[in-house]
Amino acid sequence: EDQVTQSPEALRLQEGESSSLNCSYTVSGLRGLFWYRQDPGKGPEFLFTLYSAGEEKEKERLKATLTKKESFLHITAPKPEDSATYLCAVIQGGSEKLVFGKGTKLTVNP
Amino acid sequence: NAGVTQTPKFQVLKTGQSMTLQCAQDMNHNSMYWYRQDPGMGLRLIYYSASEGTTDKGEVPNGYNVSRLNKREFSLRLESAAPSQTSVYFCASIPLGVTYNEQFFGPGTRLTVL
Repeated sequence: EDQVTQSPEALRLQEGESSSLNCSYTVSGLRGLFWYRQDPGKGPEFLFTLYSAGEEKEKERLKATLTKKESFLHITAPKPEDSATYLCAVIQGGSEKLVFGKGTKLTVNP
Repeated sequence: NAGVTQTPKFQVLKTGQSMTLQCAQDMNHNSMYWYRQDPGMGLRLIYYSASEGTTDKGEVPNGYNVSRLNKREFSLRLESAAPSQTSVYFCASIPLGVTYNEQFFGPGTRLTVL
């Protein structure tokens, strides 16, 4: 059973069309939930860490939120340069394993 | 700071050959990880090291060995490469502690096994 599930697998938006990506997790005792951005041919780039339900963090057009079961990455008025694969990962209490979801590939058309 | 460095960037092996992928970080992080990334499979954890001197298996450890040489370096060895090990390999490091605000990935090693 997957511990981290991301949806949708792929998302196409028009420039300026806001939307949200979802990351649901089943681990107990969450120590941290992380969002990364990955461009083709490159390593993942860190975006946010969230630690507890109700927490929110923002960076430019991105806003990450966390509940007890899932996290959302909200993208407001996206631009073509926001096109990338967005990855979610969690660290469970009592473990140092960083477990990833399969990612959401976002394409923003001009 | 160079962050996380990986060598080599590209490698082609023949089935049965061995090789070691090198990873080093200069951020004084405690935890280091090796992942492989395959189309449609996401990032899968091969091995990780929570601290110097310790290593643990991840999701897909078969066919690999690791060495945490010191706090900076964490190497991944393929003893007898197989075509199924064709993949992109990423090393990552994070600090140990309450917060995880610094997490870095290396640029990856693209390995092809013929």
